[in-house]
Amino acid sequence: AQSVSQHNHHVILSEAASLELGCNYSYGGTVNLFWYVQYPGQHLQLLLKYFSGDPLVKGIKGFEAEFIKSKFSFNLRKPSVQWSDTAEYFCAVTPSGNTGKLIFGQGTTLQVKP
Amino acid sequence: DAMVIQNPRYQVTQFGKPVTLSCSQTLNHNVMYWYQQKSSQAPKLLFHYYDKDFNNEADTPDNFQSRRPNTSFCFLDIRSPGLGDAAMYLCATSRSLGNTEAFFGQGTRLTVV
Repeated sequence: AQSVSQHNHHVILSEAASLELGCNYSYGGTVNLFWYVQYPGQHLQLLLKYFSGDPLVKGIKGFEAEFIKSKFSFNLRKPSVQWSDTAEYFCAVTPSGNTGKLIFGQGTTLQVKP
Repeated sequence: DAMVIQNPRYQVTQFGKPVTLSCSQTLNHNVMYWYQQKSSQAPKLLFHYYDKDFNNEADTPDNFQSRRPNTSFCFLDIRSPGLGDAAMYLCATSRSLGNTEAFFGQGTRLTVV
């Protein structure tokens, strides 16, 4: 069965620290990849997406992610986090050309200390 | 500016009493999805509509039904809620199937007492 695995469930960082959240998926075919963020009390919002092309994808608020096909990974990075980045982060996959069904990881709660 | 609106934000229902959750969208998207997210778990797709075509996930219980009377609205009906149905229910839309992003509402948190 297709699945998405996020390595860290809860991450605590100080402001200005660098962030990397791991995401691996299990699906042998072509996939579309997403990172969504959910700030406290708000809806899921798209941070960035990868459909094809350059495997290094830049998103909003200084986030980026790198698709490594050979490792089935799509890790999220940010060089310097801010207190306002405190949120829950979800990696998600949808097989290309499929129903658009998103298969989510369990999420990573990021807490940034001021 | 909310584009996908879910009502209510919080719903308390009694065990076995039918309940309906509502979702509306201003994006004119063809596809509407319902996801269930239980505590500390990943959101899980229940079903989706592509226009008027309904597509149920294989493991969605029969207790869950959906209606889409027009492009803008979609409803989730839980016929006989059990304690295990307590969860956050997320509505999402997308312009088409595949190769496009989904836009989410704020969710409805359902409590079953």
